[in-house]
Amino acid sequence: GENVEQHPSTLSVQEGDSAVIKCTYSDSASNYFPWYKQELGKRPQLIIDIRSNVGEKKDQRIAVTLNKTAKHFSLHITETQPEDSAVYFCAASIGNQFYFGTGTSLTVIP
Amino acid sequence: DAGVIQSPRHEVTEMGQEVTLRCKPISGHDYLFWYRQTMMRGLELLIYFNNNVPIDDSGMPEDRFSAKMPNASFSTLKIQPSEPRDSAVYFCASRKSINGQPQHFGDGTRLSIL
Repeated sequence: GENVEQHPSTLSVQEGDSAVIKCTYSDSASNYFPWYKQELGKRPQLIIDIRSNVGEKKDQRIAVTLNKTAKHFSLHITETQPEDSAVYFCAASIGNQFYFGTGTSLTVIP
Repeated sequence: DAGVIQSPRHEVTEMGQEVTLRCKPISGHDYLFWYRQTMMRGLELLIYFNNNVPIDDSGMPEDRFSAKMPNASFSTLKIQPSEPRDSAVYFCASRKSINGQPQHFGDGTRLSIL
C-alpha cells in the first residue's frame, strides 16, 4: 500500500518567517494530496489541497507544491502568525483511500 | 451544512464497560471513516464504509471493536469490553465518492478508560 512520510516532526519559526513542511509518497497512482491543520483539542480541518494534474496551488499565505516525478509535495506558509501554530498533516489519496503523514507540530514564536 | 456530528464529545468510563461512539456524516456523503488518534500512534484508520457497507476493517485492533452503519446518516463504533489502552480521541470523517474530494472530520470523541 501507499506510504507517506512527513518531515519535520516539529518546527519552530519566528513570527513573520516562512515555514515549509515536506511529504513524500511511494505509490505513483496517488492523485490527490490534501493538507489538514489540527489545533489543540480540535478536529483536523482541510486548509488546502492539490490534484496530480497541477504543480502548484496558492491560497493567500498558504501554498502547496507537487513534484510527481520525485513523489513529494510540500506545504509553504509565508508571513507566519501565532495562530498558525498547530499540527499539520499531509495525506495522499488513491481512489477512496487516504494515507496520512505522521504530522508536523508547528510553533510560531511571537 | 452542519458538518460531521459525533457524540458524545467526551466519555469517561471504567474498564470492562461497553462504550458506543456515534457519528452522523454529512448528507450526501457516501463514504464514512473511523479513526483513532493517540500521541504514540498518530492518526490510525480503523474502518471505512461505502454506501453503508464496510469495505476495509483491517485497522480494527481486535475483536473487542465493532462498527456498524445501519443507514446513510448514522454509524456506531462499539468497544466491548473496554480497556485503558483504548483511551484516545476517536474521529469520524465522511466524503463524497468523487476523486479529489477531501475527507471532512467531526469534532471527535475523547475517550478515557479508567
